[in-house]
Amino acid sequence: NAGVTQTPKFRVLKTGQSMTLLCAQDMNHEYMYWYRQDPGMGLRLIHYSVGEGTTAKGEVPDGYNVSRLKKQNFLLGLESAAPSQTSVYFCASSYEGTGKGQPQHFGDGTRLSIL
Amino acid sequence: AQTVTQSQPEMSVQEAETVTLSCTYDTSENNYYLFWYKQPPSRQMILVIRQEAYKQQNATENRFSVNFQKAAKSFSLKISDSQLGDTAMYFCAFMKHVGAQKLVFGQGTRLTINP
Repeated sequence: NAGVTQTPKFRVLKTGQSMTLLCAQDMNHEYMYWYRQDPGMGLRLIHYSVGEGTTAKGEVPDGYNVSRLKKQNFLLGLESAAPSQTSVYFCASSYEGTGKGQPQHFGDGTRLSIL
Repeated sequence: AQTVTQSQPEMSVQEAETVTLSCTYDTSENNYYLFWYKQPPSRQMILVIRQEAYKQQNATENRFSVNFQKAAKSFSLKISDSQLGDTAMYFCAFMKHVGAQKLVFGQGTRLTINP
């Protein structure tokens, strides 16, 4: 049981390039989330999804797009990377099967550097 | 909007000592959930403890316990008999009872356990 898997684990981009981060979970969770972690700021929510085919904006959505075509996958895209998007990105998932307030399960993160 | 504040950027204690990490939050909600997550140097986000706001009893998990003061909007984490493996960043997080189970994180406290 792999849990939440993020691909890739590390990437370096040049300003203006595009890329997609992939998140896959094998726990049949309804909810999925993308966060970014910057020094001294904790984790901030970029986008999230409450089910297959749905997405919604979080706290810091600008410059990112997401898609959830399959329940187990949640993709985060950067159309034109900027140095301000240098960060560590975390994907998480959760379910509501036994009631509200279930903890989120996190992937191992992707370190992204934009030069 | 909810906010979470961790006022101690760094803490350091000796092995076997007890240490308390502070967390305060601001919300107008009456029902919600609070979490502590641990992030060791491996970068994984690991759930430490969960508290339901409508429960008076403080949550405990082995050497980890919380002091939840709802009226004061305070949620501190106590680590007893600290071990070298407790060295990590610790994040306090808030989740509303309604909605998409999104987490709002504090800035984190870097805890170092010295031998």
